Amino acid sequence: QSVLTQPPSVSGAPGQRVTISCSGSSSNIGAGYDVHWYQQLPGTAPKLLIYGNTNRPSGVPDRFSGSKSGTSASLAITGLQAEDEADYYCQSYDSSLSGSYVFGTGTKVTVL
Amino acid sequence: EVQLVQSGAEVKKPGESLKISCKASGYTFTSYWIGWVRQMPGKGLEWMGIIYLGDSDARYSPSFQGQVTISADKSISTAYLQWSSLKASDTAMYYCANIITPSWFDPWGQGTLVTVSS
Repeated sequence: QSVLTQPPSVSGAPGQRVTISCSGSSSNIGAGYDVHWYQQLPGTAPKLLIYGNTNRPSGVPDRFSGSKSGTSASLAITGLQAEDEADYYCQSYDSSLSGSYVFGTGTKVTVL
Repeated sequence: EVQLVQSGAEVKKPGESLKISCKASGYTFTSYWIGWVRQMPGKGLEWMGIIYLGDSDARYSPSFQGQVTISADKSISTAYLQWSSLKASDTAMYYCANIITPSWFDPWGQGTLVTVSS
């Protein structure tokens, strides 16, 4: 059962900017734990997109950016491209429940 | 470059046992954390547990404690996920991933599809 809430879906036309929210609580994001983001293309394993709230691994386009504030985080995709159509998940750590890694509910991004 | 290669797809009957594997390569150090993640058909990612390859210290999500066993063989850089009695509800894709301390998963294995059906 996910403790990080994301919108089920977002959509945009090519070239547009979309944002995905990740809402947590005082035991995870609000406690200061970092937020990370993953992209899962259809039929493939998840891939790290953003780590440590705002950092992009080598090879990830700068169209992807992350932010964090309070008990929430966001992923922004600017200049949306057809190949960005995928599922996106946020992830953090939760200090309740004996300490657990937690994933968001996931967001499907559709390029119109 | 770290790579994780998982064992192949499995088809099992309810009540059967199963052990799937995740072989790591490319590490420049001898000990590291590997995590397991479940993805049920059409659903999201769920963290199951982690294991430290150095001493096989395993920790479980409360949701999976007692339902699976995570183990490792350091000598062959391999982590395992095991069931003693499968249920139809265990049907899912299972991923292993390297955990970059303190908290993110990278890279991921290609996944092992487990199908449990009578």
